[in-house]
Amino acid sequence: GQNIDQPTEMTATEGAIVQINCTYQTSGFNGLFWYQQHAGEAPTFLSYNVLDGLEEKGRFSSFLSRSKGYSYLLLKELQMKDSASYLCAVRDGDYKLSFGAGTTVTVRA
Amino acid sequence: IAGITQAPTSQILAAGRRMTLRCTQDMRHNAMYWYRQDLGLGLRLIHYSNTAGTTGKGEVPDGYSVSRANTDDFPLTLASAVPSQTSVYFCASSDSSGRADTQYFGPGTRLTVL
Repeated sequence: GQNIDQPTEMTATEGAIVQINCTYQTSGFNGLFWYQQHAGEAPTFLSYNVLDGLEEKGRFSSFLSRSKGYSYLLLKELQMKDSASYLCAVRDGDYKLSFGAGTTVTVRA
Repeated sequence: IAGITQAPTSQILAAGRRMTLRCTQDMRHNAMYWYRQDLGLGLRLIHYSNTAGTTGKGEVPDGYSVSRANTDDFPLTLASAVPSQTSVYFCASSDSSGRADTQYFGPGTRLTVL
């Protein structure tokens, strides 16, 4: 089976930086995804890592270490609209996505 | 371009009834998926289809069936609904020929089984 762990909740102040960690143990590895999900809405794609290192996309960055089974999503210059759940998902050896339970980020003024 | 649509948006259903959740995509993606999302458990794969005419079982397939008669449609059927099937159901699709094979999600169906 797949095991993907991420913190349940995080709180940060507007303008600050928050780092959401994700550790995984899966049968095979074919990439790691981060999705954002606002309450009552569908998940939307944020980032994709398949090689070790940092991928930067505007205020969001995602890092991957395959040897450690570890990724993080970095959110910079937090805005109120960034309050959402962030889902870590790993594509396994059968090319199926397994999701973590999600991290709810609350941004306070 | 609508992307992925799902119907109904929400439904309250009596236990034992049959229900079909509809999913249609207009992106010509070859792969489609059904997930359920429950509090504290995250998204779990129910069934998937890599291409029209083929389907496969995901992590939690029991009590559900799917069909893929064409590229655009991927309905999910609950033959005899039970309260444990109360959940939010998301349909997704992807172009599996792409390197990232990113999945795009529909707006979801909130189902309550009483």
